[in-house]
Amino acid sequence: NAGVTQTPKFRILKIGQSMTLQCTQDMNHNYMYWYRQDPGMGLKLIYYSVGAGITDKGEVPNGYNVSRSTTEDFPLRLELAAPSQTSVYFCASRAGQGYEKLFFGSGTQLSVL
Amino acid sequence: AQKITQTQPGMFVQEKEAVTLDCTYDTSDQSYGLFWYKQPSSGEMIFLIYQGSYDEQNATEGRYSLNFQKARKSANLVISASQLGDSAMYFCARVSIYNQGGKLIFGQGTELSVKP
Repeated sequence: NAGVTQTPKFRILKIGQSMTLQCTQDMNHNYMYWYRQDPGMGLKLIYYSVGAGITDKGEVPNGYNVSRSTTEDFPLRLELAAPSQTSVYFCASRAGQGYEKLFFGSGTQLSVL
Repeated sequence: AQKITQTQPGMFVQEKEAVTLDCTYDTSDQSYGLFWYKQPSSGEMIFLIYQGSYDEQNATEGRYSLNFQKARKSANLVISASQLGDSAMYFCARVSIYNQGGKLIFGQGTELSVKP
């Protein structure tokens, strides 16, 4: 079972560059989420989606964009990368919005220099 | 914002002893859930245990149990018989049931170190 797959695992960007973090899940989950984790800190929600074609902002959406054209894929776009976006990014999915647990990808370590 | 608070940035426990990790939360919801996740140094997020606000009994999963005190809005994780492999970051998270897109809001975490 692949679960939630994120690519790349590591990336270094220069200030002002753009990139897309890929996330795909094979569990047919409607609910998908992007979190960032700064060193020694908890996870903060960037964006989330409750189904294909529907996305909404989380706690820290500035500097990011998302799309959800299919149930499986939920890419995160960074435009004009800044050092403040240096973080570990986690994609996650759930089967529902009740008691179902959150399944996480393995994370992307991003450094903006 | 409805916060999750973990007041212990770091804790030490002797191997084979029990340890309690604290978690308190704000919520105005009647129906909500509480999760605990473990993050070892490898970085993966591992689900440990879940408690629903309407569950009458405290949740248990093997060596993990959740001390749920609804009136105090606390959901402390108890790890019995600590093992060296329990050394990790532990995160508490809250979700509003069937509301707000099923978003989990996380606390800042507690780093647990198990001493041999």
